[in-house]
Amino acid sequence: SQELEQSPQSLIVQEGKNLTINCTSSKTLYGLYWYKQKYGEGLIFLMMLQKGGEEKSHEKITAKLDEKKQQSSLHITASQPSHAGIYLCGADIQAGTALIFGKGTTLSVSS
Amino acid sequence: NAGVMQNPRHLVRRRGQEARLRCSPMKGHSHVYWYRQLPEEGLKFMVYLQKENIIDESGMPKERFSAEFPKEGPSILRIQQVVRGDSAAYFCASSSSAGWYEQYFGPGTRLTVT
Repeated sequence: SQELEQSPQSLIVQEGKNLTINCTSSKTLYGLYWYKQKYGEGLIFLMMLQKGGEEKSHEKITAKLDEKKQQSSLHITASQPSHAGIYLCGADIQAGTALIFGKGTTLSVSS
Repeated sequence: NAGVMQNPRHLVRRRGQEARLRCSPMKGHSHVYWYRQLPEEGLKFMVYLQKENIIDESGMPKERFSAEFPKEGPSILRIQQVVRGDSAAYFCASSSSAGWYEQYFGPGTRLTVT
């Protein structure tokens, strides 16, 4: 069964608008990772969250991990066409091993 | 500092042939993970290796697939007697240690089996 659920599956926003992508786990997470993937390319590391309640920002992207460490959100402020791509959340649900991934959220930004 | 390198970027094989995918981790990284991304599916873990050791191969198909990470040289994912269902993007990631450390991904190898 899918252990990491991402929502929405796809998103189309107008340039300049804010948006949020969610990632939910049925199990406590040891670490939560956000990556961006351009179609047909590799994954670009965005952020890693480890502690309950942690929040990190980079440029116009902010990611949060809830206190229970079962849900994370990725928020983009004033979206731009360069933000378009597939956003993937990955998680450590078993300490010290490989990541499991959500199915991704495809973001399109219209100018 | 060069990132994770994978080659080839694209690989075409006929059914029954062997495919060899290479991954050079980032400098200073001794942990390598292989993932597979099938069309319309998410990334799935295959195998986790450290130098000369397979740590976790729970995601690896039991037959035809093998992986190694020798003391010298890149990590290699080997697929014998490829079938059409093996067509996918194969990504490797590396980290400096296990667990709560950032995993950086390579650009992937896109395998097409004809």
